[in-house]
Formats: sequence, structure tokens, C-alpha cells
Amino acid sequence: KNQVEQSPQSLIILEGKNCTLQCNYTVSPFSNLRWYKQDTGRGPVSLTIMTFSENTKSNGRYTATLDADTKQSSLHITASQLSDSASYICVVSPSDNYGQNFVFGPGTRLSVLP
Amino acid sequence: EPEVTQTPSHQVTQMGQEVILRCVPISNHLYFYWYRQILGQKVEFLVSFYNNEISEKSEIFDDQFSVERPDGSNFTLKIRSTKLEDSAMYFCASSPRVATPLGYTFGSGTRLTVV
Repeated sequence: KNQVEQSPQSLIILEGKNCTLQCNYTVSPFSNLRWYKQDTGRGPVSLTIMTFSENTKSNGRYTATLDADTKQSSLHITASQLSDSASYICVVSPSDNYGQNFVFGPGTRLSVLP
Repeated sequence: EPEVTQTPSHQVTQMGQEVILRCVPISNHLYFYWYRQILGQKVEFLVSFYNNEISEKSEIFDDQFSVERPDGSNFTLKIRSTKLEDSAMYFCASSPRVATPLGYTFGSGTRLTVV
């Protein structure tokens, strides 16, 4: 069964610190993996999209890595800010980019404290 | 940057009533989707829509639900005879094509509260 797991479930860090969020998936075949940021009560906003051949991709202070062999991805946030407080969702597409096939992870709830 | 717009942002309705959630996808997009997210749970796929018809629907999307694209811009989700368990965030999404993963965009959501 296609599944996406994320860890930790929640995380609290101090402003200015770095953190890394994990995503493991058992989705096959694999097309691409996306990381989204979801503020409370808002829609998911895309941070990065990686295909099979990409190992790392950055978007400002966000850096995502992908190991397609071990089926693991990570999202590293550098020099965290209060505005980084949100849920971070890992989404894997097993095929062409039809939204009905996306497999959503449960998200990691990040709280950044001053 | 183009956005997917959803209205209303929050809807409160009494159990048994009908609600219509509205979405304006990005103008040149061809594929449209509805998802829901019950508080504290994963995002779940409801239905996809392409070329003026449903292309796929999940088991959640039963006869209580319907979708419509009444004109060239709006994409609506109708929920008939709402139940308490329909309370959730409902997200619309659209994408321009499926040949590339780029451009897929979620709306900001409608929070539906059934009382």
C-alpha cells in the first residue's frame, strides 16, 4: 500500500536554530516528491518539488534532500524564524502528476519560539 | 503570482443543510481538484475534474457530494444534507497540465463547520 510517514510528529525549536524534518515513503512507482508548508487554517504552499533524478533542492532557507534508493527525504530549515511555525507536509506522486494520485503524509507540526 | 481563490473562508451550517463551496482556479489551468482535511488529520482526495467532467473520485465522494464548473471561471463543490462529520477544511487545487509537476496550486481553503 502506498504510504508516506513523517517524523517527528511535532517539533519545538528556538528562533535562529536549524532543524530537519523526515519523510519516508513506500510509494511505487515514484514520480516526484513535494514538500509543502501549511499555516494553520490555510492551504498548503509548495516549497520544493523533486523528481527521481534530483538529490537536493533549495528554496531560500529550506533545503530538501531525496534518496530514491532508501525512499527517504528530508527538509532542512536553516536559521528558523517565528514565521516558520506551521505544518510541513510531504507529498509523493506515484505516477504522472494527477492530483488524485498524490499520497499525503500526516505532516510535522513545527513551533518556533522566540 | 497567480492564486487559487476559495470562498467563503469559513462557513457554518446546520446539520441537514446544503452548502456550496466556491473556487476560482488559475485561469489557464485545466485540471481541478477538491480535497478535505479533517482537523488534525491528513489531506484526503475527494474528486478530480477535467474537460467538464469528473475524471476520478474517492470513496468519500458519495452521492452527498457533487461538483460543477458552471462557467469559465468557477468550480464548485456542493454538499447536500450535511452531517457533523463533514466538518473539515476543504481545499480546491488546480494544475495547468500533467506533463510537469510544476504549477500545481492549492487554494487557501474553506473551513466548514456543521453544527
